[in-house]
Amino acid sequence: KQEVTQIPAALSVPEGENLVLNCSFTDSAIYNLQWFRQDPGKGLTSLLLIQSSQREQTSGRLNASLDKSSGRSTLYIAASQPGDSATYLCAVFDYKLSFGAGTTVTVRA
Amino acid sequence: DGGITQSPKYLFRKEGQNVTLSCEQNLNHDAMYWYRQDPGQGLRLIYYSQIVNDFQKGDIAEGYSVSREKKESFPLTVTSAQKNPTAFYLCASSIEGGSGANVLTFGAGSRLTVL
Repeated sequence: KQEVTQIPAALSVPEGENLVLNCSFTDSAIYNLQWFRQDPGKGLTSLLLIQSSQREQTSGRLNASLDKSSGRSTLYIAASQPGDSATYLCAVFDYKLSFGAGTTVTVRA
Repeated sequence: DGGITQSPKYLFRKEGQNVTLSCEQNLNHDAMYWYRQDPGQGLRLIYYSQIVNDFQKGDIAEGYSVSREKKESFPLTVTSAQKNPTAFYLCASSIEGGSGANVLTFGAGSRLTVL
């Protein structure tokens, strides 16, 4: 059974600092990995999708890397802003999507 | 604008009652999903449907039921058999199911509280 872990559960940084969010998974036989953002009491918004054949994906200030063999992905957010405060979840797809519990980020102005 | 609409946003239920959560999408997506989210846990799949008139159980289907009579609609009924129904429920859709290559679009969620 696929297990997805996100550590730490919560993170607080001052504005302008780069954010590094981690995701690990137990079974490396995945098709892809997605990163989502969730604002309090809201649904999820997809940020990036990395196919298993890719090493990274970039969108604006966001960059996600994937090391399938070691079962790890990292989401980098450059020059964080208060508007980046949210919970970030990763999900891996083998034959179904399995989600981590998320990392709740607070960016202090 | 295309998207997913979930209703109601907040719902209170007495013990022993069945309640139905609505999910409607106008994205022309074939696949639809219901997830449950509890504090400190990842999303868990309740049911999913890859095509009209067909659906499959997810990891935690006990105490829940669904129907898929129309492509646009995938309502979830939380029955009295669900022992701990208080949670945040999320509906999602994708262009097609199974491949995982498609990005999921989520609704805003419905929060169910059992009194």
